[in-house]
Amino acid sequence: QKEVEQNSGPLSVPEGAIASLNCTYSDRVSQSFFWYRQYSGKSPELIMSIYSNGDKEDGRFTAQLNKASQYVSLLIRDSQPSDSATYLCAVNGGVSGGSYIPTFGRGTSLIVHP
Amino acid sequence: KAGVTQTPRYLIKTRGQQVTLSCSPISGHRSVSWYQQTPGQGLQFLFEYFSETQRNKGNFPGRFSGRQFSNSRSEMNVSTLELGDSALYLCASSPGLAEVYEQYFGPGTRLTVT
Repeated sequence: QKEVEQNSGPLSVPEGAIASLNCTYSDRVSQSFFWYRQYSGKSPELIMSIYSNGDKEDGRFTAQLNKASQYVSLLIRDSQPSDSATYLCAVNGGVSGGSYIPTFGRGTSLIVHP
Repeated sequence: KAGVTQTPRYLIKTRGQQVTLSCSPISGHRSVSWYQQTPGQGLQFLFEYFSETQRNKGNFPGRFSGRQFSNSRSEMNVSTLELGDSALYLCASSPGLAEVYEQYFGPGTRLTVT
């Protein structure tokens, strides 16, 4: 059973701080990694994808991937109250008939307080 | 470019009935995946269709089925509804296979089984 683990939180940070969200996965052969944001009552929306070890930056967001340690993280710089949401980590993993299926973590709730 | 659309948005059914949900992907996207989201289990993969063929299937009973049409629109069917099927059903489209590419989610269909 392929697993993607996230701390459920809530993670509370002050406005302007850096929020650090972490995700670990169990399947060593996973190749594609994604972060989604989900506001309460809404559907998930894509923030970033990352495929190679190292950092990938997009605006205030930085995704970090370490395949050897099997973890993915998301840093949000200059956090804003509008960043308050649940952040889902998704990993290409879980073999089904020879193909891989996307597996999502349960999500980390982030609260950015003014 | 228009996003992923799902119909209906809300549905109330009685135990034992069947239901069909519809999803229209982003124009040009050939992959459509379906997910079930509940507070207790998080986001669970149901199946993926690509070019009218089911590629992958999650760990759900045979009561859950789907299909994809030549225009990439997809339908999901649940027969003999159970109370535990109450959930948010999300459709996601990808420019390529979901195991590799990012996914874009529709607004979801909220199904309540009484």
